[in-house]
Amino acid sequence: DQQVKQNSPSLSVQEGRISILNCDYTNSMFDYFLWYKKYPAEGPTFLISISSIKDKNEDGRFTVFLNKSAKHLSLHIVPSQPGDSAVYFCAASPKTSYDKVIFGPGTSLSVIP
Amino acid sequence: NAGVTQTPKFRVLKTGQSMTLLCAQDMNHEYMYWYRQDPGMGLRLIHYSVGEGTTAKGEVPDGYNVSRLKKQNFLLGLESAAPSQTSVYFCASSWPRQGGGYTFGSGTRLTVV
Repeated sequence: DQQVKQNSPSLSVQEGRISILNCDYTNSMFDYFLWYKKYPAEGPTFLISISSIKDKNEDGRFTVFLNKSAKHLSLHIVPSQPGDSAVYFCAASPKTSYDKVIFGPGTSLSVIP
Repeated sequence: NAGVTQTPKFRVLKTGQSMTLLCAQDMNHEYMYWYRQDPGMGLRLIHYSVGEGTTAKGEVPDGYNVSRLKKQNFLLGLESAAPSQTSVYFCASSWPRQGGGYTFGSGTRLTVV
């Protein structure tokens, strides 16, 4: 049973609009959440993270929101650019083992010029 | 500025053959990891190491062995390859603290026929 879920395998957005990628988790022990971005034939690269003591973290065009009661987080990209087209992985780690990160299945984002 | 280097990048094995995947990092990271990526499954942790001479099992360790004889290298071995081990394998490294995320290699695409 997947502990980190990304229910949308793919998403298409027009350039300049907002992209919203969603992630749900089931393990209440998760304390730290991350987003990774992956281009074809490359390894994932770290994008942004959020601790459970916060409900929002911003880095330039990227904002992650965390709703602990709903066990839900989302990544907002504003404005979306064609270079943002990639697979985005949501990931989470438990408080007792910060370095054992569990990844979701990924969402493929296409930003259409 | 190499980061994490994986060799080989591609390999085709016959069922029952053995091979070793090599991961090397030049960032002096303490922690190293091996993940496999399969469609719809995200990245799943195979084995990890928290320092030179240490190894530990992840989510899907069966059929794999690892060694960390030197801090900068983490080897993943398949003793008797099976078609179920057809996957893309990613190595990653990190400092032993949350916040920075992992640095991934570019992956090894392995096909077992």
